Amino acid sequence: DTAVSQTPKYLVTQMGNDKSIKCEQNLGHDTMYWYKQDSKKFLKIMFSYNNKELIINETVPNRFSPKSPDKAHLNLHINSLELGDSAVYFCASSPPGVANTEAFFGQGTRLTVV
Amino acid sequence: GNSVTQMEGPVTLSEEAFLTINCTYTATGYPSLFWYVQYPGEGLQLLLKATKADDKGSNKGFEATYRKETTSFHLEKGSVQVSDSAVYFCALQQGGSEKLVFGKGTKLTVNP
Repeated sequence: DTAVSQTPKYLVTQMGNDKSIKCEQNLGHDTMYWYKQDSKKFLKIMFSYNNKELIINETVPNRFSPKSPDKAHLNLHINSLELGDSAVYFCASSPPGVANTEAFFGQGTRLTVV
Repeated sequence: GNSVTQMEGPVTLSEEAFLTINCTYTATGYPSLFWYVQYPGEGLQLLLKATKADDKGSNKGFEATYRKETTSFHLEKGSVQVSDSAVYFCALQQGGSEKLVFGKGTKLTVNP
């Protein structure tokens, strides 16, 4: 059973398009995240949701809109894709409690904008 | 703000060599510290963690000690294997926040 699963694994699209990445976790966690990993492997948080409520929004362009229909899902919709959006996007989740919590990551979605 | 600095890679070692990957942090208060590992084509996995000063985290032969006086959390392994080839990320989590702040990652390649 995959704990945190995201689809698709690879996504190639043209500039200006709108695309979505889906994420689901079956761990019963309350908190879910989106992280972006750039070409140099630098990993940075984009969003955090706790039980469907936005907690963290790290100065991400408003072309990026997360949506959490329930606490097991956190999807990422991106409008008007730009070349600089090319990266690997990781979904993650963590159990309740704020301190010392391990985050469980999905396998990543490699987005290539051409 | 909070930040993590880890040694630039890539690091290339022969099997059974000793590994050190340096990590220092800047944070207010007493963050929790983590090492995550990313194997090729996979997501990140927690390798080890430490939640207070002088704690030692250990797993799979890797260990790191939370040093508050030097604000460091260096990763070590006495004898690396080919299967340890991966990217290693040092991270901190500030008390009161669920956000993980990552270093830039260090790619390790172990040759037979």
